[in-house]
Amino acid sequence: SSDLTQDPAVSVALGQTVRITCQGDNIRFYYANWYQQKPGQAPILVIYAKDNRPSGIPDRFSGSTSGNTASLTITGAQAEDEADYYCNSRDSSGNHLVFGTGTKVTVL
Amino acid sequence: EVQLVESGGGLVQPGGSLRLSCAASGFTFSSYWMSWVRQAPGKGLEWVANIKQDGSEKYYVDSVKGRFTISRDNAKNSLYLQMNSLRAEDTAVYYCARQGVTIFGVIIITYLDYWGQGTLLTVSS
Repeated sequence: SSDLTQDPAVSVALGQTVRITCQGDNIRFYYANWYQQKPGQAPILVIYAKDNRPSGIPDRFSGSTSGNTASLTITGAQAEDEADYYCNSRDSSGNHLVFGTGTKVTVL
Repeated sequence: EVQLVESGGGLVQPGGSLRLSCAASGFTFSSYWMSWVRQAPGKGLEWVANIKQDGSEKYYVDSVKGRFTISRDNAKNSLYLQMNSLRAEDTAVYYCARQGVTIFGVIIITYLDYWGQGTLLTVSS
């Protein structure tokens, strides 16, 4: 299957740590990237190629992969981290991109 | 500064056509694969199509194959999406995005490193 599965929603207390997961068969081959999207805004890339942060992304965001599961961890969550988060990878053909179902992160 | 600016969205009747454009600046457009991604109201992200640097390879999600055509004009630093036989389910914000790439040995990792602000397509009678 080319599907990428994410938990629909998670919550985290301000300053605490939250981990979001993304499960899919092709992650073990093509790794995963992560995007943050706030209401009414375009997505922005926060982690690429498993565990790399683009310039300007705070180091409280980190990524990892184990087998067919990718994870995005926010260590010391801030109020501004409240957003939808999507993973993405490639499908089994390698030619198509696929997105995860998305996880809504609420910072309490 | 990398900028991607979409245009061309609007209200179209079912069965109609529309062409979206994306104007790129701040980088060497001809050196990158480019993608279109859409998001239906209240829904998640869906990759729609992408195109190689020289336009020689194009790929589409199954739901738009045969109806949508992605193209580019490197001389104009522009990306396009021609959409025909539009359906209500095509209603979405359409984003253009630049594809970055990282190579791990023989594995090519693709990601969307810059996105435009999107243009809204509404298909309704």
